[in-house]
Amino acid sequence: QITLKESGPTLVKPTETLMLTCTFSGFSLSTTAVGVGWFRQPPGKALEWLALIYWNGDKRYSPSLKSRLSITKDTSKNQVVLTMTNMDPVDTATYYCAHDCSSPSCSEQGFAYWGQGTLITVSS
Amino acid sequence: QSVLSQPPSASGTPGQRVTISCSGSNSNIGRDYVFWYQKLPGTAPKLLIHRNNQRPSGVPDRFSGSKSGTSASLAISGLRSEDEADYYCSAWDDRLSAVVFGGGTKLTVL
Repeated sequence: QITLKESGPTLVKPTETLMLTCTFSGFSLSTTAVGVGWFRQPPGKALEWLALIYWNGDKRYSPSLKSRLSITKDTSKNQVVLTMTNMDPVDTATYYCAHDCSSPSCSEQGFAYWGQGTLITVSS
Repeated sequence: QSVLSQPPSASGTPGQRVTISCSGSNSNIGRDYVFWYQKLPGTAPKLLIHRNNQRPSGVPDRFSGSKSGTSASLAISGLRSEDEADYYCSAWDDRLSAVVFGGGTKLTVL
């Protein structure tokens, strides 16, 4: 059974750096074709992809946020960490992590498993 | 502004069939799989369709996906009140090296 859970501060101040941790179980991030992605949804707005890290260490970032984002993995701890610098009130959103499988051999490709999400508020 | 284009809203009555369109380009839908997600308020997104037209286990066959060229669509038949949600299409964009989404379509069951 695959599960993911996001953790981090609920409130950050403008200009601060946000660090979010995705702790998962039921899969290994060293398995070929597996990845973990981060997403967010501001209140009343659309879902947005932020970053993705693959089993082999490859990383991809949203072009519009690339300069502010960093994604890392700790395979031994089953964790993926997303760091976002220079937080602004417009970054207030619910942040999600999700499991990705990108191989034709996967029973389900795409982001089939999601964490419950964590609401991050940016305010002074 | 989203890379993929969806209508902001759609509606139907119980039992009806509704379709939601998603338009992209040759760098995303035109060359890679399309995925559809259902988003209910306060809950995590749910994968409804993967590989253009495949349903994950547990997704009712009332939901179906299709793709042609640089466009895709999600069809929901036998509309039910619990289908009222936001629906997002998504694909990999090879030019951007990024996961891209549509702006979402809010489905209202009248």
